[in-house]
Amino acid sequence: GENVEQHPSTLSVQEGDSAVIKCTYSDSASNYFPWYKQELGKGPQLIIDIRSNVGEKKDQRIAVTLNKTAKHFSLHITETQPEDSAVYFCAAKRTSYGKLTFGQGTILTVHP
Amino acid sequence: SAVISQKPSRDICQRGTSLTIQCQVDSQVTMMFWYRQQPGQSLTLIATANQGSEATYESGFVIDKFPISRPNLTFSTLTVSNMSPEDSSIYLCSVEDHHAVYQETQYFGPGTRLLVL
Repeated sequence: GENVEQHPSTLSVQEGDSAVIKCTYSDSASNYFPWYKQELGKGPQLIIDIRSNVGEKKDQRIAVTLNKTAKHFSLHITETQPEDSAVYFCAAKRTSYGKLTFGQGTILTVHP
Repeated sequence: SAVISQKPSRDICQRGTSLTIQCQVDSQVTMMFWYRQQPGQSLTLIATANQGSEATYESGFVIDKFPISRPNLTFSTLTVSNMSPEDSSIYLCSVEDHHAVYQETQYFGPGTRLLVL
């Protein structure tokens, strides 16, 4: 089955800096890669996703890149703000296969 | 995107008892899932809730411990049976929204925080 590795486990940045979280996956047939943000006491919130027919997707300060050859994808947050502090999870799946496999999570702390 | 609600939002239970968690979605969805998130950990899929048939359980999870109902396309329940402190976790309902062919997106509810004493 699919295996997703996520790094780093914790990330601390100053407000205004950029943050990058990286994930690798094992199943070359995976073609859907979402990212979730989980704030304390809340459920995971989908913040951005990418499908294997594109290499990069951007939404304001958030971007995701995908390298299918190397089987890795990354989340980029620019101009970080204290409200970006949360746990971030990457995931991977084959479209229409039904099961998301999650990474271990990254605790992002943005210091004012 | 689908709006998901869960009840209760949190509970404290005694070992040996059972708790039923409800999940309600604001639109009809084909796929509903139940996840467990142990403290400080990632999300683990318990089962897929199938409408009109028995749930499909992942390895390590059994129907006797986690019975699931899915009476229609907007509602599901998960019961945590004969609880022990090891069952203390966040339980999350999730749905898959098919907004186009091969364009499904998965959303999560707010979770139910369970503490077993």
